[in-house]
Amino acid sequence: DIQMTQSPSTLSASVGDRVIITCRASQSISSWLAWYQQKPGKAPKLLIYRASTLESGVPSRFSGSGSGTEFTLTISSLQPDDFATYYCQQYKSYFPEAFGPGTKVDVK
Amino acid sequence: QVQLVQSGAEVKKPGASVKVSCKTSGYTFTTYDINWVRQAAGQGLEWMGWVNPNSSNTGYAQKFQGRVTLTRSTSSSTAYMELSGLTSEDTAVYYCGRGRAGATDHWGQGTLVTVSS
Repeated sequence: DIQMTQSPSTLSASVGDRVIITCRASQSISSWLAWYQQKPGKAPKLLIYRASTLESGVPSRFSGSGSGTEFTLTISSLQPDDFATYYCQQYKSYFPEAFGPGTKVDVK
Repeated sequence: QVQLVQSGAEVKKPGASVKVSCKTSGYTFTTYDINWVRQAAGQGLEWMGWVNPNSSNTGYAQKFQGRVTLTRSTSSSTAYMELSGLTSEDTAVYYCGRGRAGATDHWGQGTLVTVSS
C-alpha cells in the first residue's frame, strides 16, 4: 500500500516569501503526483499534475518538482490569495490513501 | 465551459442510504472518469472511488467496498454516488470531479451529507 505524507503540516509565512511544501510517498510513484489548493468551504483546485506540469490558468509562481518518492511544491513569492491548504495526491494507485494529509499555509 | 453541478444537501438517519448526483456539461461525458472524494469537517480529502462513464467500470476504495455504488447516466451526462449503511462518521462534504489522466481537473461544488438521529 502506498502511504503519502506531507511536511510541514502547518506553515506560517508572509506575503512575498518563498514557500516549499514536501510530499513523500512510501514507495515509488514515478511522476504520478498532483497538487491541489483548497480554501475553506470550497472544492479543491488542481495546480500541478504529473509532478511538474502546471495546470492551465495557474499562476507561474507555483511549480512542482520531484519523482519517485519525494516531491515539492514551491510558491516562489507568496501572494495574499495563496493562503490555503495544499494537498498532494498520488495516482499511481488510487488506494488506499491517495491524498496526503495536507499543509495549511497561514499568515505569519 | 466545463461544469459539474451536484445535488443539494441531505440529512439522513443512521442506517439509511444517500444518493448524490453530479450533472456535467461543457465536455463529452464519456471521455473522462468521474472521481468521488469526501471531506469531513476540519479533515483532509478522502478518496472514495471512480467510474468510467464510457464503460461503466468502477473502482472503489477498500474502506467503502460493499457500501458505495457509483453509476452514471450517459443520456443525462450525470454521475451518481450512493452510500448505504450511513453512520455519523459519514457526515461530510462529498465531491465529484472530472478525472483527467489521474488528476482531477474540475470539481463539483460539493454536497453536504449529514447523518443524525
